[in-house]
Amino acid sequence: GESVGLHLPTLSVQEGDNSIINCAYSNSASDYFIWYKQESGKGPQFIIDIRSNMDKRQGQRVTVLLNKTVKHLSLQIAATQPGDSAVYFCAENGGSNYKLTFGKGTLLTVNP
Amino acid sequence: NAGVTQTPKFRILKIGQSMTLQCTQDMNHNYMYWYRQDPGMGLKLIYYSVGAGITDKGEVPNGYNVSRSTTEDFPLRLELAAPSQTSVYFCASSLGDTSGNTIYFGEGSWLTVV
Repeated sequence: GESVGLHLPTLSVQEGDNSIINCAYSNSASDYFIWYKQESGKGPQFIIDIRSNMDKRQGQRVTVLLNKTVKHLSLQIAATQPGDSAVYFCAENGGSNYKLTFGKGTLLTVNP
Repeated sequence: NAGVTQTPKFRILKIGQSMTLQCTQDMNHNYMYWYRQDPGMGLKLIYYSVGAGITDKGEVPNGYNVSRSTTEDFPLRLELAAPSQTSVYFCASSLGDTSGNTIYFGEGSWLTVV
C-alpha cells in the first residue's frame, strides 16, 4: 500500500543550530501535506502545512519544502531550541478527502 | 475554545471487558476522527465521520464501533477488549476535508488491556 516514511528515525542537534527533518512519500495522488510535532505524553500539534501547488512555505522559525519530482518533504527548523525536542511526523492525504497517512516519526533531541 | 477533549486519560481494562472513549469538540468541526498510535509508530485511522449521523471505517476498524449523534461528540466503543488494543488513542477533528483543512488532535487516551 501507499506509505509515508522518514529517512532518519532520530536527530540530535545543538541548541541554536538549524534542524532538517526529511520525509519521503509514495502516493503521487497526495496534494496536501502536514508536519506535526508530538511532545511526550501529548497529542500531535500542527506545525505547518503545504499544498502540492507550492514548493516552499515558511512559518515562524519553520520552513517546509516539497519536491514532487522525487516525492520528498522536509521540515527545517531555524535556531533550534530545547523546546523543539519532540517527535515530528509528516502526513499526506493521498488525494483523499478524509484520511491522513502518517509516517513513523523522527525524534529530535536538542542539546543545550 | 477547549478544542478536542478526550476522556479518560488513562484506563486499564481486563480482556473481554468493554468501554467507551469519549470525545467532544467545541470548534463546530464537521469531520471527526479516531486514531490509534502504537509505540514508536505513526497514527492509524480507526473510524471517521464527516458529519452527524455519518460514520465510516478507516484502516483498522476491527474491534471498535463509533457513533455520531451530534456534531460535537464522537465516542469510540471497544467491545470485548483484547491485548492487541493496548495503545494510545487520539480523537481529532477538522473543519472540512483533508485537502487543506488542518486536523486538530486531542491529548490522547492511554489504554492497557491485561
